[in-house]
Amino acid sequence: NAGVTQTPKFRILKIGQSMTLQCAQDMNHNYMYWYRQDPGMGLKLIYYSVGAGITDKGEVPNGYNVSRSTTEYFPLRLELAAPSQTSVYFCASSLRPGTMNTEAFFGQGTRLTVV
Amino acid sequence: GENVGLHLPTLSVQEGDNSIINCAYSNSASDYFIWYKQESGKGPQFIIDIRSNMDKRQGQRVTVLLNKTVKHLSLQIAATQPGDSAVYFCAEKIGGSQGNLIFGKGTKLSVKP
Repeated sequence: NAGVTQTPKFRILKIGQSMTLQCAQDMNHNYMYWYRQDPGMGLKLIYYSVGAGITDKGEVPNGYNVSRSTTEYFPLRLELAAPSQTSVYFCASSLRPGTMNTEAFFGQGTRLTVV
Repeated sequence: GENVGLHLPTLSVQEGDNSIINCAYSNSASDYFIWYKQESGKGPQFIIDIRSNMDKRQGQRVTVLLNKTVKHLSLQIAATQPGDSAVYFCAEKIGGSQGNLIFGKGTKLSVKP
């Protein structure tokens, strides 16, 4: 059982470049999330999705875009990379939170540096 | 805005002792809480969760306590081991929301041998 898979693990971008962070889950979870984690800080929600075709902004959506064409995939797009987007990005998936044992499962993260 | 916070950013305990990690939340509408453990270089891992209609839940070596009166959540780890060294995050879900979790800043737990 692969769980949540993120690619790439590491990436260095130049200012103004674009890239897509990939995320896939094989648990048939409706909910998927993208978080960023700055050094020594907690996780901040960028975007989330409650099902295929449905996405919504989180706490820090500016500079990012997402799509959810299928249940399995939830890519995160950076169009014009900026140094402020240097961070570790985590993708997660879950059943609908709120009932017991519906915790989010996290990927291993993508470490992005913008120079 | 309302968010989840932590009383202590770092906690150092002796191996074998019990650890208590605290979390304060300010949104009285939160109805679901989770504790996550994050080891260096890895993604967060689920430890235990609790709904707002409960005040205590126990897992293997861990207990979560919820005090809604003072909006306080704690994670107790019994007989702390070196493998417990990590950053611990609490997260909340606001009742009636779509389900996205709001994370606190985290507490770093260091276990001394």
